[in-house]
Amino acid sequence: ETGVTQTPRHLVMGMTNKKSLKCEQHLGHNAMYWYKQSAKKPLELMFVYNFKEQTENNSVPSRFSPECPNSSHLFLHLHTLQPEDSALYLCASSQDMRLAAPTGELFFGEGSRLTVL
Amino acid sequence: TQLLEQSPQFLSIQEGENLTVYCNSSSVFSSLQWYRQEPGEGPVLLVTVVTGGEVKKLKRLTFQFGDARKDSSLHITAAQPGDTGLYLCAGTGGGNKLTFGTGTQLKVEL
Repeated sequence: ETGVTQTPRHLVMGMTNKKSLKCEQHLGHNAMYWYKQSAKKPLELMFVYNFKEQTENNSVPSRFSPECPNSSHLFLHLHTLQPEDSALYLCASSQDMRLAAPTGELFFGEGSRLTVL
Repeated sequence: TQLLEQSPQFLSIQEGENLTVYCNSSSVFSSLQWYRQEPGEGPVLLVTVVTGGEVKKLKRLTFQFGDARKDSSLHITAAQPGDTGLYLCAGTGGGNKLTFGTGTQLKVEL
């Protein structure tokens, strides 16, 4: 199993659909993240979970709803999205929240490419 | 809000050429990382620098952290097609938050 796995890799949905993105990490990490990557914009942090508890919601609209049932799994539930939500959604994990440490590192999945029609 | 500006935004070069990518901010960072993202993949960490003035080498890649810890550069010697990708710098500042730069898209052609 690769380190961080995301499914589906591609998703096309209408504005009224409900869908979910799934992320699974096999690295034994305690922190998991959702990032949004849009063209010509820096990676945007959406949510952070540490030991299954949400520690950060970066002013994300309520049409995005995260769920972290355990330290290995992270979901992003999508509901009534807008066309401007079309982007690559990246999941990442890290050993802990100490990203400033010399050994601090984010491990990313391959991303889920979302298109909202 | 801490911002990291990368330049150039796009770079297309021939195999064998040298290049430098810059990552600049007005904020001080406790550490700075460089990631590379290949098409269809997530970013992968290349290096972390933590000391002002620090220089790290990774084969043909040389990374430098500015003395004031506000900027960084990535120099690639004799670029190869396999170096093609999106290069992202990311700085860790107050509150242990990681801020990503605007990215540099590099294409190395034969």
